[in-house]
Amino acid sequence: GQQLNQSPQSMFIQEGEDVSMNCTSSSIFNTWLWYKQEPGEGPVLLIALYKAGELTSNGRLTAQFGITRKDSFLNISASIPSDVGIYFCAGRKGNMLTFGGGTRLMVKP
Amino acid sequence: DGGITQSPKYLFRKEGQNVTLSCEQNLNHDAMYWYRQDPGQGLRLIYYSQIVNDFQKGDIAEGYSVSREKKESFPLTVTSAQKNPTAFYLCASSTGLTSSPQHFGDGTRLSIL
Repeated sequence: GQQLNQSPQSMFIQEGEDVSMNCTSSSIFNTWLWYKQEPGEGPVLLIALYKAGELTSNGRLTAQFGITRKDSFLNISASIPSDVGIYFCAGRKGNMLTFGGGTRLMVKP
Repeated sequence: DGGITQSPKYLFRKEGQNVTLSCEQNLNHDAMYWYRQDPGQGLRLIYYSQIVNDFQKGDIAEGYSVSREKKESFPLTVTSAQKNPTAFYLCASSTGLTSSPQHFGDGTRLSIL
C-alpha cells in the first residue's frame, strides 16, 4: 500500500523554536489527520482537517489542508520539552487511512 | 471512561506458535482496525472491520487472522505463518462515518523468543 511522503524524518531543535513538518501524496484525500505518538503508546489525534484550504489551530499547533488535497502541513509554535515525540500525518479516503513515515521531534531545553 | 484497551502490553512468542492480541472498545464504534508498526516507520494496515461479523484484509494481512463476533471486540491472531512478527501492534476504532477520525489503543509489543 501507498505511504505518504512526510518530511523531515527527524528534527532536533532548541526549546522555544517553531517547528514545521509536511506531508505530500500523489493521491487526493478527503481528510487529513495529524497524530502524535510517545514511546510505547498509541498515536493521539491532534488535529483533523476536512476541507481543502482549511486552516485549523489547537493551542500552539496549526495545520492546513492543501488546496490540491494532496498535501498538509503542521506547525508547532514556541516548542517546549513535552512536544517531544513522533508526529504522523494520515490521509483518509472513505474509512481507510494512509500514514506518513513520521517526523521524530527532539527538543533541547 | 470510554476508550480502547489492548492487552497484553508485552507478548512473547515461541517459534511455530500462534498468539492472540486482544482489543476491546467501549466507545460503541462500528469500525475497528489493526495496524503494524516497525521501528522508524509509519503504520501499515493488517485487517479492518466495518461491522460485526464482517472484516477485510488490509495491506499486509498474510500470516494474520481476525474475528469480529462482538461489536466491542476485534482480536488479532498472529499465526506461525507470519515469519517476522516482531513489531508494535496498534488497534484503532471509529464510528465508521467518513468524517470520524480513528482513535488508537496503547499497543501491544510482540517479540520472538
